[in-house]
Amino acid sequence: AQSVTQLDSQVPVFEEAPVELRCNYSSSVSVYLFWYVQYPNQGLQLLLKYLSGSTLVESINGFEAEFNKSQTSFHLRKPSVHISDTAEYFCAVRGASGNTPLVFGKGTRLSVIA
Amino acid sequence: EPEVTQTPSHQVTQMGQEVILRCVPISNHLYFYWYRQILGQKVEFLVSFYNNEISEKSEIFDDQFSVERPDGSNFTLKIRSTKLEDSAMYFCASSAAVQGPEQYFGPGTRLTVT
Repeated sequence: AQSVTQLDSQVPVFEEAPVELRCNYSSSVSVYLFWYVQYPNQGLQLLLKYLSGSTLVESINGFEAEFNKSQTSFHLRKPSVHISDTAEYFCAVRGASGNTPLVFGKGTRLSVIA
Repeated sequence: EPEVTQTPSHQVTQMGQEVILRCVPISNHLYFYWYRQILGQKVEFLVSFYNNEISEKSEIFDDQFSVERPDGSNFTLKIRSTKLEDSAMYFCASSAAVQGPEQYFGPGTRLTVT
């Protein structure tokens, strides 16, 4: 079984400042890792994913995450945030074999302040 | 771009009543899931479905819940006798294959049990 820890429940940050949202996971097997974003009153949108290969993955809107196997982490970063990035961010993990469900962290609410 | 759709967006029902939540997964996807998110809590897996049968279910998915794929496009979640604690946002998701591809989520149905 897998578990995900997102230590920060809320992260306020000023516009154009950098941000890092932390995610740590535990698993006894190989995993796939994901970040989902939930804008107010909307559903879950896939932001980026790590399946294999390069440990640094990027999204189209400037976010990136790095898979660190030794630290069992998959932190999300953005060098300069915008007001529109205000949302809830969920880290999720699933086993890399079989039809395993996603296991989500509790989420981090990113609030970008003008 | 193909997307998962869900209806209704909001359902209010009285305790003890039956509800059916509907989902239309992405058309070429083969694996279907239901998750729920109680207000302020993490997203939790309920059930996965493949080849017209349940693949896996969580302890939340008790005898009050059932899923069905009544035709080639819809995927439904039925709660036979709703309880107050069933109030949550219910998300449907689909994926193209077991290994690798991510799960795409619908916008959710907010179920309120009074």
